[in-house]
Amino acid sequence: DQQVKQNSPSLSVQEGRISILNCDYTNSMFDYFLWYKKYPAEGPTFLISISSIKDKNEDGRFTVFLNKSAKHLSLHIVPSQPGDSAVYFCAAKRLNTGTASKLTFGTGTRLQVTL
Amino acid sequence: GAVVSQHPSRVICKSGTSVKIECRSLDFQATTMFWYRQFPKQSLMLMATSNEGSKATYEQGVEKDKFLINHASLTLSTLTVTSAHPEDSSFYICSAATTGGYGYTFGSGTRLTVV
Repeated sequence: DQQVKQNSPSLSVQEGRISILNCDYTNSMFDYFLWYKKYPAEGPTFLISISSIKDKNEDGRFTVFLNKSAKHLSLHIVPSQPGDSAVYFCAAKRLNTGTASKLTFGTGTRLQVTL
Repeated sequence: GAVVSQHPSRVICKSGTSVKIECRSLDFQATTMFWYRQFPKQSLMLMATSNEGSKATYEQGVEKDKFLINHASLTLSTLTVTSAHPEDSSFYICSAATTGGYGYTFGSGTRLTVV
């Protein structure tokens, strides 16, 4: 049961343009969402997060949008740079469970930024 | 920032032997440690959650007698793959919860190959 899905396994974007990575979830109990960037044979690196009480969070070139009614979030990267080429995972969790709660990861989207 | 050191980065072992993977939190106390496994081109799948001083909680389908997790101190958690078989070959990643459970710091991962 894949509770967090990234339906696009890969995405190619030209340098300087906007990259939009999408993520859908099914568990309405999730109330905190995170995006990670991952290179092969390395651990994920945190990019940006958003709480369910917000619909947008911005940090530099990265913006995450959350549509709770659609159970959908997206990560926008603008402008895209070649160094952004990696696999991007969205993750979701439930807050306020008493202890640090586990993350449920999406299936990942491989972003390639071309020159 | 918070750093989790994971060793070894890669290991090759013979079928039937055991392998221990260590994760150390270098500059913070990791009350909760998560262990993930990632097969090629797939998502990170949570194997177990360990809290310092208590038994690990395993996800459904993960054999607790095969994947032994020890979290005896606030800075060290270990995963031992016992009687390893080729199907256990995978990328194993640990993650420590930080900042009240909102943030997570990942280790750099261990590539296990069982021959």
